[in-house]
Amino acid sequence: NAGVMQNPRHLVRRRGQEARLRCSPMKGHSHVYWYRQLPEEGLKFMVYLQKENIIDESGMPKERFSAEFPKEGPSILRIQQVVRGDSAAYFCASSPGSGRAADTQYFGPGTRLTVL
Amino acid sequence: AQSVTQLDSHVSVSEGTPVLLRCNYSSSYSPSLFWYVQHPNKGLQLLLKYTSAATLVKGINGFEAEFKKSETSFHLTKPSAHMSDAAEYFCVVVYSSASKIIFGSGTRLSIRP
Repeated sequence: NAGVMQNPRHLVRRRGQEARLRCSPMKGHSHVYWYRQLPEEGLKFMVYLQKENIIDESGMPKERFSAEFPKEGPSILRIQQVVRGDSAAYFCASSPGSGRAADTQYFGPGTRLTVL
Repeated sequence: AQSVTQLDSHVSVSEGTPVLLRCNYSSSYSPSLFWYVQHPNKGLQLLLKYTSAATLVKGINGFEAEFKKSETSFHLTKPSAHMSDAAEYFCVVVYSSASKIIFGSGTRLSIRP
C-alpha cells in the first residue's frame, strides 16, 4: 500500500508566479490535511478537506491560497502570486475518514517551495 | 484558548541514556494526543497516540508516553537513546469537539556519541 504521495518534492517559483502542490492520499483515505512548516518553526495547520468539501480552513491565509480535493484525482494546494514569505515546506496528510478529527494522519514527504 | 506547549526547543542526550521530551496541553474534555517524528528531509511519522484508552501508551522504536490528566501532560520517553533517534519531535493535540488539530512547535533531539 503506497503511502501519501506529494509532488513535486521541490518547487522553485519567482515572485508573482503561481505554485500548485499536489497530494495523493493513501488508498482508501478520503480525508486530506495540509500543513505548512516555515523555516525554524513547527507545523501549522492550514486546511482539512474531504472529497469535494472543505471541512476546516481556519489556518488558510485569507488571500492567494486555495485548496481542493476533487472527486477524482489528487488534492491541490494552490498559491497565487507567490511572495518570498511563502517559502516553506508544505506537508499533506491523509486519514481514513471515520468522521472524527482524531483519526491517525499519515504524512507525505512534503513539498519544499522556494520563492526567488 | 486551546494550545499545546513543547517546553524544550532542543534536547541533547548521550547515546544509551534516557530521553524525556515534554508536552503540555490546555485542558479540555477528552483530547486525543499524538507524537510524531520528523527525520531530516523526511515527512512525519506517527510514533504513538492516546485516545482515551490506557494512559501509558507504547509506540514504535521503544518510545512511550504517559497521559497525565491532572498535569495536562503527555511527555515522551525512551529508556535508552540511539543515534538514529536524532530528529524533530512534534506533540499534537486534537480537540474532537471542535475538530481542531494543534501542533506543538517541535523539539529537536540530538544524540551525543
